[in-house]
Amino acid sequence: ILNVEQSPQSLHVQEGDSTNFTCSFPSSNFYALHWYRWETAKSPEALFVMTLNGDEKKKGRISATLNTKEGYSYLYIKGSQPEDSATYLCASYNNNDMRFGAGTRLTVKP
Amino acid sequence: EAQVTQNPRYLITVTGKKLTVTCSQNMNHEYMSWYRQDPGLGLRQIYYSMNVEVTDKGDVPEGYKVSRKEKRNFPLILESPSPNQTSLYFCASSLYRGSTDTQYFGPGTRLTVL
Repeated sequence: ILNVEQSPQSLHVQEGDSTNFTCSFPSSNFYALHWYRWETAKSPEALFVMTLNGDEKKKGRISATLNTKEGYSYLYIKGSQPEDSATYLCASYNNNDMRFGAGTRLTVKP
Repeated sequence: EAQVTQNPRYLITVTGKKLTVTCSQNMNHEYMSWYRQDPGLGLRQIYYSMNVEVTDKGDVPEGYKVSRKEKRNFPLILESPSPNQTSLYFCASSLYRGSTDTQYFGPGTRLTVL
């Protein structure tokens, strides 16, 4: 069974702080890693999909990196804003099977 | 607007009373799936469908049924709901079931079974 772990479970930061969190996934038979952003009472929305070791993706103040050899991805948010408050989900696609992590819940205080 | 819609958004019901949660997408996606989300757990797949009339079990299919008679619709049926099916349910669709295919999620249905 695929285990996708995210840490921390929750995070509280002040507006303007930069932050990062981790998604760990099995490195064997790896195909792709997805990040989604899920605001309360809304639908999860795709942020990034990455496939190659060393991949880096960026969208505004949010960026992500991928290490497929050791099985982890980092999501970075630079200069957090209250509107960044959400749960960030990662999902790993290994061997024709996709599994989601439990998410990191980020709260940005003004 | 490209979207996945689910209805109802909220539902409180009693044990044993059959219910259906509808899901519809307007993106002509072939792949659709249902997930449940419980506190502390990742999204767990209930059922998925690769195309019309093709459905398959996910990780937690017990107590659920689905059908895919048309490409756009993928209803989730609980024939005899039980309290352990109290959860937040998401429908999702993607063009195909490929490793890099982004899933588009519905707004969720919060179900409480008393």
